[in-house]
Amino acid sequence: AQSVTQPDIHITVSEGASLELRCNYSYGATPYLFWYVQSPGQGLQLLLKYFSGDTLVQGIKGFEAEFKRSQSSFNLRKPSVHWSDAAEYFCAVGSMNTGFQKLVFGTGTRLLVSP
Amino acid sequence: ETGVTQSPTHLIKTRGQQVTLRCSSQSGHNTVSWYQQALGQGPQFIFQYYREEENGRGNFPPRFSGLQFPNYSSELNVNALELDDSALYLCATGALSYEQYFGPGTRLTVT
Repeated sequence: AQSVTQPDIHITVSEGASLELRCNYSYGATPYLFWYVQSPGQGLQLLLKYFSGDTLVQGIKGFEAEFKRSQSSFNLRKPSVHWSDAAEYFCAVGSMNTGFQKLVFGTGTRLLVSP
Repeated sequence: ETGVTQSPTHLIKTRGQQVTLRCSSQSGHNTVSWYQQALGQGPQFIFQYYREEENGRGNFPPRFSGLQFPNYSSELNVNALELDDSALYLCATGALSYEQYFGPGTRLTVT
């Protein structure tokens, strides 16, 4: 069965510092991978996605992620964090089943940004 | 803005009652998926509808059911509410691809 692991429940980063959020997945075939962000009381906003091709993908708000098949990882990075980046971040893998698709999410990483 | 709206924003129900949550998406999005997000957890897939038919379901009992209408709106119905049904319910719409756009969610509290 497909699964996603986000090993860090909370991460605190100083404003202006770099950020890396970890994501490991388990999936038998070539995965479709996503990062979503969720602000308190809000729905999910897509930051970026990987379907195929270049393993370094660029997203919105200055985020990027790198797909590493050998490590089954899809870590999210940002070179300089802003206070507005404080939120919950979810990694997800797209699971193709017969006739439908679903997203399998990790448990999320809460990002705190200190002044 | 994803163009996906959900109503109501918040809802309080009593155990054993029934609830209907609504989702409206933009034109061209012929799939709708519903997810349940318990506090402190990632969203869990409930089911997906395509062309008004359920075409996939996660590990949820039959008391969770849905409808999809031709006008790109949909409903999630939950019967015989249990305390553990308290969660944020998210709908996501798309065009039969992995590009799914999420609504802001409905926060359901069961007492």
